[in-house]
Amino acid sequence: DQQVKQNSPSLSVQEGRISILNCDYTNSMFDYFLWYKKYPAEGPTFLISISSIKDKNEDGRFTVFLNKSAKHLSLHIVPSQPGDSAVYFCAASAVGGWARDNYGQNFVFGPGTRLSVLP
Amino acid sequence: SQTIHQWPATLVQPVGSPLSLECTVEGTSNPNLYWYRQAAGRGLQLLFYSVGIGQISSEVPQNLSASRPQDRQFILSSKKLLLSDSGFYLCALKGQGTEAFFGQGTRLTVV
Repeated sequence: DQQVKQNSPSLSVQEGRISILNCDYTNSMFDYFLWYKKYPAEGPTFLISISSIKDKNEDGRFTVFLNKSAKHLSLHIVPSQPGDSAVYFCAASAVGGWARDNYGQNFVFGPGTRLSVLP
Repeated sequence: SQTIHQWPATLVQPVGSPLSLECTVEGTSNPNLYWYRQAAGRGLQLLFYSVGIGQISSEVPQNLSASRPQDRQFILSSKKLLLSDSGFYLCALKGQGTEAFFGQGTRLTVV
């Protein structure tokens, strides 16, 4: 059973428009969420994160929104650029207390969404 | 700053041959280290993680094993490769912060 889901395997967006990538999770013990960007034949690079005590975190063109009641988070890229074309992975982690001790601070990744920004 | 060295970048091995992928880290001490695999068209699957020297936890039963002989060294091995072992293998570390940092990966093709 997938604990972290990204139901859209791919997404195409026009340059300059907004890209919205979605992620859902099932485990309520997750309290820290991350987005990674991956180009072919390279390791994923960290993009942005959010703690469960917040509902929004912004870094330049990237904003992550967290809806804990819905167990849903999303990554917004505004404006989208061709260089943003990559696979985006959502990841969840349990960093505090019991969850950390039991999960060993591991990260559970979603299957990824391939974003294509068209010029 | 934390850096991860992973090699080789690409590897083609015949079925039944052994495997050894090495990962070393710099700029941090006592990190949590991870081996992930990205199979074609799939997400990142956690294979092993280690919280210290000689401490290995396996997430999924498989044909692979891992070892951590030194604080900053994490090795992924197999005695006999299977075709299904093909994939993109990633070493990652988690240091003092809450993010994981990944190496450049090894593309393994078993033929």
